[in-house]
Amino acid sequence: EAGVAQSPRYKIIEKRQSVAFWCNPISGHATLYWYQQILGQGPKLLIQFQNNGVVDDSQLPKDRFSAERLKGVDSTLKIQPAKLEDSAVYLCASSFRLAGGSYNEQFFGPGTRLTVL
Amino acid sequence: GQNIDQPTEMTATEGAIVQINCTYQTSGFNGLFWYQQHAGEAPTFLSYNVLDGLEEKGRFSSFLSRSKGYSYLLLKELQMKDSASYLCAVRERSNYQLIWGAGTKLIIKP
Repeated sequence: EAGVAQSPRYKIIEKRQSVAFWCNPISGHATLYWYQQILGQGPKLLIQFQNNGVVDDSQLPKDRFSAERLKGVDSTLKIQPAKLEDSAVYLCASSFRLAGGSYNEQFFGPGTRLTVL
Repeated sequence: GQNIDQPTEMTATEGAIVQINCTYQTSGFNGLFWYQQHAGEAPTFLSYNVLDGLEEKGRFSSFLSRSKGYSYLLLKELQMKDSASYLCAVRERSNYQLIWGAGTKLIIKP
């Protein structure tokens, strides 16, 4: 079974530029998550999708971050314009919903390491 | 409120046993996860506890006490490849989302 795919693996940009990340979840996983992980911290949820609908985006800085999952499969996360404090690893994870409404464990992609100069 | 506490860093010797503790406060508990994260890599799932007690999986075991808001991950027969960060995450009952600790960096010495 193929894992969660992400690209690019690394990205270096200057502040005020824009950047986009792509994620393809495990086949059959309807739930997709984007996390931001700053060095030395745990992952912080940015947005959660169930199929192509947004479940929670309460921690997404909507003035500069956007995400979409138009066909309910792969997803893109965009930052425009980037700030220095956006330097982090952006992790995509997926899971499937269990019969009782909960979820199985989350499977993570390799992440995109973003450096904003 | 929601809070998860883990030690920042621990050091242990190859072949020994180490216990990594995690304490949590949450408004509604729906399970606790442990993940392993090697430097520069994604977190990988290790264990899940939703009921009190010990779950054993090979060299790794995880314990949960819901009344105490406490869990630990026990690693036996430590190997150099166990050097990694270990993340504790609690799932909220209200929305099934994970609240993550900052992780414990485990250093294994020969």
